Amino acid sequence: GIQVEQSPPDLILQEGANSTLRCNFSDSVNNLQWFHQNPWGQLINLFYIPSGTKQNGRLSATTVATERYSLLYISSSQTTDSGVYFCAVDLGGGADGLTFGKGTHLIIQP
Amino acid sequence: GAVVSQHPSWVICKSGTSVKIECRSLDFQATTMFWYRQFPKQSLMLMATSNEGSKATYEQGVEKDKFLINHASLTLSTLTVTSAHPEDSSFYICSARALIAGSSTDTQYFGPGTRLTVL
Repeated sequence: GIQVEQSPPDLILQEGANSTLRCNFSDSVNNLQWFHQNPWGQLINLFYIPSGTKQNGRLSATTVATERYSLLYISSSQTTDSGVYFCAVDLGGGADGLTFGKGTHLIIQP
Repeated sequence: GAVVSQHPSWVICKSGTSVKIECRSLDFQATTMFWYRQFPKQSLMLMATSNEGSKATYEQGVEKDKFLINHASLTLSTLTVTSAHPEDSSFYICSARALIAGSSTDTQYFGPGTRLTVL
């Protein structure tokens, strides 16, 4: 099956810092989503981004499908950004479940 | 829009009992729902794909007789953990594929999860 690798596994930053999270995937994908899992376990949709660039406030994401990677940028980090960030992909059709990476555990210190 | 609910949020049961978890799409219809499991400090693993009106498709290694899935309507899927044992303790999360104007047809929206503890 498809492999999804995220880096770094852990990241500790001071409030106000910027960060870049990376997701590499082993095959062409139909769907790529970034999620933030909060401390209560809720997965929050950040981006649906199988290709191209999107921005939403302090967050932006870029997927280079031909090179099989995606980047999530977080600017001016806040303590509420802490949590686990997952990248997930599927191969096509929308009938497939998502394959998740192992996540990046982000801690923003005040 | 695209809200998915799960009930219950958490459940504690005795070994050998069965537990039913409900997943509902509140403001949209979902022909396809998915069930995932997440162990502590690990990633989400797909368990099964649930299609309205048909049998669920299970991932390799997931026992279909232990994890019964029913997708009775376009807004409701249920997961029943039968004869639960302590090793079934986990965080169970459902998602629904939304067909919403202005949104990708492939976007999945996730419920808040159900934390199951089997004693």
